[in-house]
Amino acid sequence: LAKTTQPISMDSYEGQEVNITCSHNNIATNDYITWYQQFPSQGPRFIIQGYKTKVTNEVASLFIPADRKSSTLSLPRVSLSDTAVYYCLVGMNYGGSQGNLIFGKGTKLSVKP
Amino acid sequence: EPEVTQTPSHQVTQMGQEVILRCVPISNHLYFYWYRQILGQKVEFLVSFYNNEISEKSEIFDDQFSVERPDGSNFTLKIRSTKLEDSAMYFCASNPTGIESLEGWKLFFGSGTQLSVL
Repeated sequence: LAKTTQPISMDSYEGQEVNITCSHNNIATNDYITWYQQFPSQGPRFIIQGYKTKVTNEVASLFIPADRKSSTLSLPRVSLSDTAVYYCLVGMNYGGSQGNLIFGKGTKLSVKP
Repeated sequence: EPEVTQTPSHQVTQMGQEVILRCVPISNHLYFYWYRQILGQKVEFLVSFYNNEISEKSEIFDDQFSVERPDGSNFTLKIRSTKLEDSAMYFCASNPTGIESLEGWKLFFGSGTQLSVL
């Protein structure tokens, strides 16, 4: 898996938009970018995945610039329940042998009232 | 929405005892995983399992660990002789396609079993 770098922690207030940026300078041509969310005492949960430009779903948006060396997870109008650790994962999406997902330390987002 | 279920939610055991952690993956999934997370640390991969055999395992998954899919629905992790450092939250996950496809990056995780070794 390509190495990723993201902030250790971020603080926000309810109602604000939160942007978490992940750097992945050695991303390969075939790599997709995947984000997971982990609430305290729960397993990680897939939230969004993208290859380039912008992807949006009911949970978040993912912005990927043309060079794909970074990506930004955007959470609109966060609430207290968005307090979680957010993981950015990058790697080959096809080919090769059976692999596994490697989670880094993630970004611990704390949303305050 | 279908989910991965894990039992028990908490397990307390004495050092040296055997424990079995149980998981029921989502019914049409074919790829199964165990991860663990020591308090305050990263989620660590232990093992992946497909077609009734281990596909890949990490350095953590030594001879004290084993996995089994005994009856087509359950997926178990056995720790033969627990050590204090085995205390962690253990997560089971499943996926229909495996990491070779894009859908394979969407693992479905259970809520975990908190194992405490005393």
